[in-house]
Amino acid sequence: ELKVEQNPLFLSMQEGKNYTIYCNYSTTSDRLYWYRQDPGKSLESLFVLLSNGAVKQEGRLMASLDTKARLSTLHITAAVHDLSATYFCAVVPGGDKLIFGTGTRLQVFP
Amino acid sequence: DAGVTQSPTHLIKTRGQQVTLRCSPKSGHDTVSWYQQALGQGPQFIFQYYEEEERQRGNFPDRFSGHQFPNYSSELNVNALLLGDSALYLCASSSETAWNTEAFFGQGTRLTVV
Repeated sequence: ELKVEQNPLFLSMQEGKNYTIYCNYSTTSDRLYWYRQDPGKSLESLFVLLSNGAVKQEGRLMASLDTKARLSTLHITAAVHDLSATYFCAVVPGGDKLIFGTGTRLQVFP
Repeated sequence: DAGVTQSPTHLIKTRGQQVTLRCSPKSGHDTVSWYQQALGQGPQFIFQYYEEEERQRGNFPDRFSGHQFPNYSSELNVNALLLGDSALYLCASSSETAWNTEAFFGQGTRLTVV
């Protein structure tokens, strides 16, 4: 059975600190996506990672992909309150359907 | 570009009723996928439409059906609603010829079954 697991499930961090969210998946995937979701809102695309070793950065967020280890990371640098949201990774095991991870709820406090 | 638009944004239905949700894809996109997101969980794939045909289907019962129109817009129909169908329903559009680019999501339809 395909599994996409994220850890931690919940992350409470202080502003200015760094942290990493991990996404492990159990099957091969053409690509990996990271999405952000604010409460009651839809999904906002953050990154699309297409190949082994891919690294993308946008502001305080940096995502990487290791297809051999079936692992992606989302690194947060010097967190600010505006980053508080739930973050999902998603893989594409076949066709175009996205299989989402469990989600990581991030809360940044002063 | 209006992006992916869904209607309605909120809906309340009674158990046993039927509901239709609508989605217009982003301009230039020809593929529409539907997802169900229960509270506190990640989105679950329902099905995908391309060229007016259902191309892939997730683990959802036949009560869930859909349609894609020649203009690429899509509908999701759910019959015999159950309380457990209460969720945020998300539509995503993408391009068949640009498979490696992101899928864009609409704002969702919040369905409450009472």
